[in-house]
Amino acid sequence: SYELTQPPSVSVSPGQTASIACSGDKLGNYYVCWYQQKPGQSPLLVVYKDDKRPSGISERFSGSNSGNTATLTISETQAMDEAVYYCQVWDSSTGVFGGGTKLTVL
Amino acid sequence: QVQLQESGPGLVKPSETLSLTCNVSGGSINSDFWNWIRQPPGKGPEWIGYISYSGSTNYSPSLKSRVSISVDTSKNQFSLRLTSVSAADTAVYYCARAAAGTIDYWGQGTLVTVAS
Repeated sequence: SYELTQPPSVSVSPGQTASIACSGDKLGNYYVCWYQQKPGQSPLLVVYKDDKRPSGISERFSGSNSGNTATLTISETQAMDEAVYYCQVWDSSTGVFGGGTKLTVL
Repeated sequence: QVQLQESGPGLVKPSETLSLTCNVSGGSINSDFWNWIRQPPGKGPEWIGYISYSGSTNYSPSLKSRVSISVDTSKNQFSLRLTSVSAADTAVYYCARAAAGTIDYWGQGTLVTVAS
């Protein structure tokens, strides 16, 4: 079965840029979605189809995908961005999630 | 704006069947793909399966033998059944919509605990 790997944690200072990686075999051949989840809340879609931003999501969120790695980039990181971020793809019509990366804004 | 709301028992005994229903409002269930996703405490989401607008289903290989998803278009609802549950099935269960390949709307989730 297909697997997505994420680093367990990433730390960033307020105002700096955070990058969260998601790796998988030939991941660039898939469309990647990214979700933000805060404690006690449902996941929130922040990037879809690699680099598209849903309506209402800040322009500070962007995505890229090439080779074996997709990256979620959060510019000018704010305290409100502290959350767990998950990547997700469809592999043969089966949903696959990464293990999640906890973003800490120090 | 599509809204989804899960309902069902919060406690299920081991070896019994977990049954949940998702009510969809603000959109028709006669389009798109309707998913169940679960999240064990402290862990990441796990996709369970979906039912399409045409009634076709697809399930996670790891759960396929125990899962079924059905739809009631007259009520704009879809449902999950998971048989022979164990403590490992304790999780927050979410229903969610997938449109054009993107899971875009999620319910608030419901905690199901498997315990005697």
